[in-house]
Amino acid sequence: GAVVSQHPSRVICKSGTSVKIECRSLDFQATTMFWYRQFPKQSLMLMATSNEGSKATYEQGVEKDKFLINHASLTLSTLTVTSAHPEDSSFYICSARDPSGGTDTGELFFGEGSRLTVL
Amino acid sequence: GNSVTQMEGPVTLSEEAFLTINCTYTATGYPSLFWYVQYPGEGLQLLLKATKADDKGSNKGFEATYRKETTSFHLEKGSVQVSDSAVYFCALRDFGGNTPLVFGKGTRLSVIA
Repeated sequence: GAVVSQHPSRVICKSGTSVKIECRSLDFQATTMFWYRQFPKQSLMLMATSNEGSKATYEQGVEKDKFLINHASLTLSTLTVTSAHPEDSSFYICSARDPSGGTDTGELFFGEGSRLTVL
Repeated sequence: GNSVTQMEGPVTLSEEAFLTINCTYTATGYPSLFWYVQYPGEGLQLLLKATKADDKGSNKGFEATYRKETTSFHLEKGSVQVSDSAVYFCALRDFGGNTPLVFGKGTRLSVIA
């Protein structure tokens, strides 16, 4: 199946700093990527839909200015957590659909996830 | 809107026991249905999927059948192993490029020897 890679897998930062997480589609081009957030022992919450060449679409309650999403190319989307605080500590996961092959089976491919810890 | 409801855990089973994790969904269209698994400290892995009514997805001894009449996609395994201990997420997705996956809350399974 298609491969999506996230980097870094783990990051620890000080409160007030910004952290960038990269999501790459390695063997396909993704016009759309999705960013999810997972709190400990909870489900995945959709944060935003990242669209190549245009602004991301954020879900209700997600702060656009805190979670900056950029989708500058067909293989890369980035999530920047600005002025991070301890409550931003979480597991962030990106996913994408592989549009090649013509038929959409609905499957999304996930990155490995990035665990952010803000001290 | 679309939603997924799955049984709450945690579920604790002895090795070789039979597993069922219930999942029901609400959808306006005809979505694809998925089970994802998350092992401790890791990301999500697709376990199995079904794209239309009466399809049966299967993988690693796990099975789930897309039941349109009951809007269900229950996960089953005949004989669980300790290595199956993980969190299992039921999910659905409508067709279309910009539609995300909608997840259930997840069910934590612990299998003891």
